[in-house]
Amino acid sequence: KAGVTQTPRYLIKTRGQQVTLSCSPISGHRSVSWYQQTPGQGLQFLFEYFSETQRNKGNFPGRFSGRQFSNSRSEMNVSTLELGDSALYLCASSGGDTHTDTQYFGPGTRLTVL
Amino acid sequence: AQKITQTQPGMFVQEKEAVTLDCTYDTSDQSYGLFWYKQPSSGEMIFLIYQGSYDEQNATEGRYSLNFQKARKSANLVISASQLGDSAMYFCAMREGLLNAGNMLTFGGGTRLMVKP
Repeated sequence: KAGVTQTPRYLIKTRGQQVTLSCSPISGHRSVSWYQQTPGQGLQFLFEYFSETQRNKGNFPGRFSGRQFSNSRSEMNVSTLELGDSALYLCASSGGDTHTDTQYFGPGTRLTVL
Repeated sequence: AQKITQTQPGMFVQEKEAVTLDCTYDTSDQSYGLFWYKQPSSGEMIFLIYQGSYDEQNATEGRYSLNFQKARKSANLVISASQLGDSAMYFCAMREGLLNAGNMLTFGGGTRLMVKP
């Protein structure tokens, strides 16, 4: 099976702009989770989508939003970018429905905000 | 309080030797899962091993084993016969509660492992 793919891999934006990141899960997986990784805060959970519904949300401002499509692909949007949004954004997919559920991560999108 | 604590920011190990990476966790849930991931410099998180809170036996996956001590709330990763390719950041993570309540992983700060030839 193909792994989790994320596009684009690298992105440079300026403050105030918005950005959309895309994640294609492993075939058959219905859960997609997003994480932000920064040197200062480490890995932090953004949100999870399961069968097109947001099932869980981390402690991030409303500028961070996401959605999931019927084919389980997910997008994450950040509006009004701030310098502090510079980070590696990781997407993970899993079946989402067994107690041994394991998340498999994509290569990440490295976002730089200037 | 930190939910996942990794007390070793960095470690060196000689090639072909075994190494233990420490992880302690804090949860009041009876049902939880513990995970270890490896992150090479490329950035991708690679799943290594999983231990469920109700699993009585320690998990093993090839050269990786998890030393699970439930009463002490520790889930240490043991890598046997270290290889140069094992040099990376290692993260311990936990999922608390039932899966239908959400699939959120909480990560520790990581341990950077460096394997010496």
